[in-house]
Amino acid sequence: SQKIEQNSEALNIQEGKTATLTCNYTNYSPAYLQWYRQDPGRGPVFLLLIRENEKEKRKERLKVTFDTTLKQSLFHITASQPADSATYLCAPGAGSYQLTFGKGTKLSVIP
Amino acid sequence: DTGVSQDPRHKITKRGQNVTFRCDPISEHNRLYWYRQTLGQGPEFLTYFQNEAQLEKSRLLSDRFSAERPKGSFSTLEIQRTEQGDSAMYLCASSLSLGSSGNTIYFGEGSWLTVV
Repeated sequence: SQKIEQNSEALNIQEGKTATLTCNYTNYSPAYLQWYRQDPGRGPVFLLLIRENEKEKRKERLKVTFDTTLKQSLFHITASQPADSATYLCAPGAGSYQLTFGKGTKLSVIP
Repeated sequence: DTGVSQDPRHKITKRGQNVTFRCDPISEHNRLYWYRQTLGQGPEFLTYFQNEAQLEKSRLLSDRFSAERPKGSFSTLEIQRTEQGDSAMYLCASSLSLGSSGNTIYFGEGSWLTVV
C-alpha cells in the first residue's frame, strides 16, 4: 500500500538557520508533490507544488526538491523565523484529484 | 472573504445524534473535497465532487456518512448516529480541475466535531 513518511514528528531549529524537512514515499509514483503549512486548529495552506519533471522549485525563502529516483522530496526554509513555526505536510499526487497527506512535521523555530 | 468557508466551526454532540456540516467553496472552483483529520495525523480523504456529481468515496466513508452538493455550489456532510470515533476535524477544500498536472487544493478552516 502507499506509504508517506515525513522525517520526524518534530524539528527544533534556531532562528536564522535553514530548516530541512524530508518526505519519503513508497509504493507510489506521484506525478507531482505539494507542500502545505498548517497552524494549530486551522486548515492547511498551500505553499508549493513541484512536478516530476522539475528538480527544484523556489518561492521566497522556500525551496523544494523532488527526486523520483530516491522517492523523496526535501523542503527547505532558509533564514528561518519564529513565525515559520507550524506543521508542514507533504502530499504526493497522481491523477487529477485527491491528495494523500503525510502526518506532517512540526517545526519550532527558537528565537 | 473569497476563501472556502465552513460552518459550524465547532460542534459538540451526544453519541447517537446526527450532525451536518456545510461548506461553501471558492466560487469559480468546480471541485469540492471533504477530508477528515485527527490529532497528529494528516488529512484523510473522504470524498470529492466535480460540480454536483460525487465521483469518489473513500472506504473511510461508512454508510453513516453522506455528502451532497445539490447545485454544484455548496456542499453538506451529514453524519448519522454519531460515534465517539467520529470526533475529528472535518475539512472541506476546493479546486479547479486542471487534469493530471496537479491541482492546488484550497482548504477551509475546518469544522471540529466532538462526540460525547
